[in-house]
Amino acid sequence: KAGVTQTPRYLIKTRGQQVTLSCSPISGHRSVSWYQQTPGQGLQFLFEYFSETQRNKGNFPGRFSGRQFSNSRSEMNVSTLELGDSALYLCASSLDSRRSEQYFGPGTRLTVT
Amino acid sequence: AQKITQTQPGMFVQEKEAVTLDCTYDTSDPSYGLFWYKQPSSGEMIFLIYQGSYDQQNATEGRYSLNFQKARKSANLVISASQLGDSAMYFCAMRERGVTGTASKLTFGTGTRLQVTL
Repeated sequence: KAGVTQTPRYLIKTRGQQVTLSCSPISGHRSVSWYQQTPGQGLQFLFEYFSETQRNKGNFPGRFSGRQFSNSRSEMNVSTLELGDSALYLCASSLDSRRSEQYFGPGTRLTVT
Repeated sequence: AQKITQTQPGMFVQEKEAVTLDCTYDTSDPSYGLFWYKQPSSGEMIFLIYQGSYDQQNATEGRYSLNFQKARKSANLVISASQLGDSAMYFCAMRERGVTGTASKLTFGTGTRLQVTL
C-alpha cells in the first residue's frame, strides 16, 4: 500500500508570492490534515479535511487555505508569502475511525526569501 | 497551559539499553487518543504507537510500549533494546474528539531528541 505522498518536496519562493502544496493520502483514507513545523513554534495544526469539507481549523491567518477533492487528495495554498512561512509542511491522512492513526507524508520544505 | 508536555529536550542511551521518554498531557475531554511519532533527520513523521483513553491495557508495538497512567495523565514511551537507528526526535501527541465527536486534530509536544550511543 502506497504511503502519503506530498509534492513538491522542496520549494523556494519570494516574499509576496503564493504557493500551492499537494497531498495524496493513503488509498481509502478520507481525512487529510495539514501541519506546519518550524524550529520556533514546533508542530502546529493548520486544518483538517474530510469528504471535501473543512472540519477543523487551527489558528492561522486567512492567507492559509486548503481544499480537498472527491478522490481525497488535498491542496494547501498560502498567499502573500512572508519570511515566517518558511517551514516544513506535513500532510497526514487517516481512516477517521475512533482509533485511527494519522500517517504522515515526507513533507514539503518551503523556503521564503 | 500546554496540552502536551515533554520535559526532556534531549536524552542519551547506550545501544541495547532501554529508555523511557516522558509525556504528560492535559485534557478535559473523556475521549482522547495519545500517539508517539518518530522524526528522523529526513523530516518524515513515523507513527510508532497509539493509546486510546478507554483502552484497558497499555499499548505495545514491537520494541515500543506505552506506559499509560490515566490518573497521572502521563503516557511515557518505552523503547527496549535501543538501536543506533532509533536516534531521532520523538514527539508525543494527543487527539481530542471534542463536543461534536467528529473533528480531530493532533496537538504535539515539543519533542525529545534521542541519541543512541555505542
